[in-house]
Amino acid sequence: SQQGEEDPQALSIQEGENATMNCSYKTSINNLQWYRQNSGRGLVHLILIRSNEREKHSGRLRVTLDTSKKSSSLLITASRAADTASYFCATDAGGDSNYQLIWGAGTKLIIKP
Amino acid sequence: GAVVSQHPSRVICKSGTSVKIECRSLDFQATTMFWYRQFPKQSLMLMATSNEGSKATYEQGVEKDKFLINHASLTLSTLTVTSAHPEDSSFYICSARGGEYQETQYFGPGTRLLVL
Repeated sequence: SQQGEEDPQALSIQEGENATMNCSYKTSINNLQWYRQNSGRGLVHLILIRSNEREKHSGRLRVTLDTSKKSSSLLITASRAADTASYFCATDAGGDSNYQLIWGAGTKLIIKP
Repeated sequence: GAVVSQHPSRVICKSGTSVKIECRSLDFQATTMFWYRQFPKQSLMLMATSNEGSKATYEQGVEKDKFLINHASLTLSTLTVTSAHPEDSSFYICSARGGEYQETQYFGPGTRLLVL
C-alpha cells in the first residue's frame, strides 16, 4: 500500500552536485525512513527520523521532517556516481500497524560522471 | 549486523509449477517478516506480513491460497507461489524486523521470478 508521494520522479545531476528529493505523506506517523535501491536489488535502509525530530544527518545525507506539512526531504551532498539508485521514503504509522511501512513511489536518481 | 538473505536470487519455471522462495535473517531473530512484490520501475507492493508462529496477514487483493507464506522460525520465512502463471512473473523481496532492529526493515536481495 502506498500513501507517500515523492518528487521528483526522476532526477539527473552532475557528480559533485547536491541532490534533493522530497516525500509527502497523508496520515500521522511515528517515524519516516529513507531507503535506497540499486537496480534489481533489495532495499538498503539509509536513515530514520522520528516524528519529534526535525532534522537528522548521516554522513553526506541530511533528512528533514515537517510534520505540519506532512513532508520530508532527503539531501545528498557532493553526489557520487555510486549514489545512482532509486530512493524511497516510507512511513511507520505506529499503533497497531505491526510496523508496516507505507511506501512512496520513489525517486530515480542518476549521477552523471 | 541485520543481514537478510533470500534464495534463490533468480528462478525460471514452467507455468503450473510451484516455486518456493526462502528468506532468512542471518544475525538476528526476525519477529516479523514482510513479503513484497515489485513491478518494473514501481514501488514496493506489500503482499503479506507474517509474525513468527502465526498465520500471515495478507493485503487486500493478494490470494492466500496462491501465495503461501510460512514463518515457522524466528530466522526463516518462505513464500510459495503455487501453480505459477506468467502473470506471477515479478521481483519478490522479503524484509525482516526484530530484536534490536525493531523499527527499520532489513531487506533481502530479492528474487526474480520468470514463469514461462
